[in-house]
Amino acid sequence: AQRVTQPEKLLSVFKGAPVELKCNYSYSGSPELFWYVQYSRQRLQLLLRHISRESIKGFTADLNKGETSFHLKKPFAQEEDSAMYYCALGRASGSRLTFGEGTQLTVNP
Amino acid sequence: DTEVTQTPKHLVMGMTNKKSLKCEQHMGHRAMYWYKQKAKKPPELMFVYSYEKLSINESVPSRFSPECPNSSLLNLHLHALQPEDSALYLCASSWGVNYGYTFGSGTRLTVV
Repeated sequence: AQRVTQPEKLLSVFKGAPVELKCNYSYSGSPELFWYVQYSRQRLQLLLRHISRESIKGFTADLNKGETSFHLKKPFAQEEDSAMYYCALGRASGSRLTFGEGTQLTVNP
Repeated sequence: DTEVTQTPKHLVMGMTNKKSLKCEQHMGHRAMYWYKQKAKKPPELMFVYSYEKLSINESVPSRFSPECPNSSLLNLHLHALQPEDSALYLCASSWGVNYGYTFGSGTRLTVV
């Protein structure tokens, strides 16, 4: 079975501070990992996928297979980063995407 | 067109009503999905269509009936719903799971 754990329901930081949103997964095969973001009253948007190794809006995430983690990081948080962030896991050969419980990030001025 | 469009945005229905939710995409994606999202919770998968055929049904009650008339359209027919079915219903599409999903803005359903 595949499972995603986001240990922090709420995370609050000050503007300009570094931020890390944690994500751990369990899956025995080859995982596909994503971060989605949901700003207030907006649709769920794909932020990052591990396979592309890109940086979006200053966010990066590295897949660590040894620790089964895919933490989301940004060196300097901005107020507009305040949103709900979901880590999601899919199987390389399948079509099901499993979401973690989400972390509500608040960036204070 | 890089969006998934869902209609209606809001729906209030009685427990004896029949209604339908609609979803449309013109990105050529071959997989389409229905998710249910309760407040402050992650989306929960309901159905997956791949190449217009139902490939996954997550043991959803029969009062929810999906339909995929063509590669661009996905419907969710609702009948005899319960108040606990009130939620945000999200449609998504993708080339495949490793490409990520494109989500619609959802239909906020209230069952009274």
